[in-house]
Amino acid sequence: RKEVEQDPGPFNVPEGATVAFNCTYSNSASQSFFWYRQDCRKEPKLLMSVYSSGNEDGRFTAQLNRASQYISLLIRDSKLSDSATYLCVVREGNMLTFGGGTRLMVKP
Amino acid sequence: DAGVIQSPRHEVTEMGQEVTLRCKPISGHDYLFWYRQTMMRGLELLIYFNNNVPIDDSGMPEDRFSAKMPNASFSTLKIQPSEPRDSAVYFCASSFGPLASYIRFGPGTRLTVT
Repeated sequence: RKEVEQDPGPFNVPEGATVAFNCTYSNSASQSFFWYRQDCRKEPKLLMSVYSSGNEDGRFTAQLNRASQYISLLIRDSKLSDSATYLCVVREGNMLTFGGGTRLMVKP
Repeated sequence: DAGVIQSPRHEVTEMGQEVTLRCKPISGHDYLFWYRQTMMRGLELLIYFNNNVPIDDSGMPEDRFSAKMPNASFSTLKIQPSEPRDSAVYFCASSFGPLASYIRFGPGTRLTVT
């Protein structure tokens, strides 16, 4: 079983739609959680951290459920520029473990 | 800053050849990571350094792979001999401090072994 699991997608949504991605992790001792974004043929870049109380950054909302070992990312009012792969990331000690990513395609 | 610099950006080589990938981390960052990304396995951590010292190389697939960090501004990942299954994108990344939260990736080296 993978340590960090995500639905690979792709999620095909129209502009303006709301879309949610989920992620589960296997190590209950995981300390920190993040969402990274990776554009096609580019490197991953930090999108946002995920805090226990949930947090929002503009159109993006991240939530963490430690009891269920589950992380989510909600994107409201999708833009064409949101098309990318979204990677769920879990930190244990000094190491980051990446999920396989969920691909989002926003269509006009 | 100039970001993490990797070279070459693309490498095509024949099976059995030696391949050396290079990385210059962001100045002041004390952690350096080498990752490999494939469609099948996603992003995998190969090895990481702290203050030029290898800390965890448990992700290095086999003895054909080796990594060095002779100083704070340079690291290499070497594959000898290379095999077709080594074809992947190899990312170098660096961060400041022990939390490895805001890890910065380089643009990657796309390796093809024929």
